[in-house]
Amino acid sequence: EAGVAQSPRYKIIEKRQSVAFWCNPISGHATLYWYQQILGQGPKLLIQFQNNGVVDDSQLPKDRFSAERLKGVDSTLKIQPAKLEDSAVYLCASSLDLGNGYTFGSGTRLTVV
Amino acid sequence: AQSVTQLDSQVPVFEEAPVELRCNYSSSVSVYLFWYVQYPNQGLQLLLKYLSGSTLVKGINGFEAEFNKSQTSFHLRKPSVHISDTAEYFCAVSDGTSGGYQKVTFGTGTKLQVIP
Repeated sequence: EAGVAQSPRYKIIEKRQSVAFWCNPISGHATLYWYQQILGQGPKLLIQFQNNGVVDDSQLPKDRFSAERLKGVDSTLKIQPAKLEDSAVYLCASSLDLGNGYTFGSGTRLTVV
Repeated sequence: AQSVTQLDSQVPVFEEAPVELRCNYSSSVSVYLFWYVQYPNQGLQLLLKYLSGSTLVKGINGFEAEFNKSQTSFHLRKPSVHISDTAEYFCAVSDGTSGGYQKVTFGTGTKLQVIP
C-alpha cells in the first residue's frame, strides 16, 4: 500500500511569513495526526483528526497555527505568522486503529530565519 | 497522565555487540507500548508494539522488547547490532483514555550509534 505522502520536504521562510504543509494519509485511515519534532526532542502532537473532525488540538498554538482535513482525507497545516521557534520537522501520520500503530510520512523540515 | 522516559540520549555500541535501549513509562491504567525507529531525514517507522498477552514482543530487524509491569518498563534489545541499525529510537505509550480517543505520547528518543 502507498505510504503517507507529505509535501514539501523542505521549506525555508523568513519570520512573520506564512507557510502551509500538505498531507495525504493512507487510504482508509480514519485518524490523522500532525506532530512537531524539534531537533533533539520527541514528536509532540499538534492536532488529531478523526475523519474530518478535530478530537485533540490542545497543544496547537491556535493564534498562529491552523489545520483542516477536507472530506476526511487530505489535510493541510498552516502557520501564520511564523516565528523562529517554529523551526522543526512537521510529521503527518495516519492510523486505522491504535493496535496497528501509526504510519508516518517523511516529514517537512521547516527552517524559519 | 501518561508519560515516557528514555534514560539514555545516546548509546554507542560496537558492531555485532548486544544493545539495550531503556524506556520507562508512567500511566495509571493499562497501556499500549510502542517502539519506533527514525533513520536520518525520514519519518518514524514502527518497530514493535505491546498490546496485551505475552510480555516478550518481537519486532522487525531482529529487535525485541519486554514489558515489565512491576517496573513500568519496556526496554528494547537486540543481541547483535549492525551498522544499519544506526538511527534514533523512540518509545511511546498510550493509555487510550483521553476523552475516549487514543492519544500517544512519545519519549525524547535515544540515538543508537553503531561503531564499526
